[in-house]
Amino acid sequence: AQKVTQAQTEISVVEKEDVTLDCVYETRDTTYYLFWYKQPPSGELVFLIRRNSFDEQNEISGRYSWNFQKSTSSFNFTITASQVVDSAVYFCALSGRSTGANSKLTFGKGITLSVRP
Amino acid sequence: EAGVAQSPRYKIIEKRQSVAFWCNPISGHATLYWYQQILGQGPKLLIQFQNNGVVDDSQLPKDRFSAERLKGVDSTLKIQPAKLEDSAVYLCASSLGLEGLYGYTFGSGTRLTVV
Repeated sequence: AQKVTQAQTEISVVEKEDVTLDCVYETRDTTYYLFWYKQPPSGELVFLIRRNSFDEQNEISGRYSWNFQKSTSSFNFTITASQVVDSAVYFCALSGRSTGANSKLTFGKGITLSVRP
Repeated sequence: EAGVAQSPRYKIIEKRQSVAFWCNPISGHATLYWYQQILGQGPKLLIQFQNNGVVDDSQLPKDRFSAERLKGVDSTLKIQPAKLEDSAVYLCASSLGLEGLYGYTFGSGTRLTVV
């Protein structure tokens, strides 16, 4: 069975602070994919990143960076110099490669990030 | 390319009434998913189709929920009769194939309120 744990539920920071959102996952698949999505108040799920299990390189995209560590089954997300527009709920998600039910996307419970001006 | 289309955007019904949601995936996407997102929680898979066949419906409350994808394209999700706890956003997603490699595209969702 697949599982995603986002232990943090709510985080509040002041604008320009850096913030890290934690994600820990469980899967028996050897090939799997990890995702982060952003859900602003409007409700749509905005895709941020996909990472496959064979690529452990960290990734940076503007103010966003992701740290993938297979040894600790973690895929953490850092926002540098946070902005008010970053306020949203952030979901970490996992899908396996095997056919059938494990191919579905399993979500964590989400982290509500509030960035205060 | 056009995204995943869902309708209606909002729906308010009384408990014990029935309701149906519609989803049109991205053209050519073989896999279609229906997720339920209760306020304050992450989306939970209800049912997964590959073309017009069901891959996983283990978390679909089959006594009241049903879904179909008859021609392997668009899909409908029905609730009959609705309960208060069915109040949620229902998200439809589609993908080229079964693997996460292909990614997932989500629709804007249908927000259901049962009163």
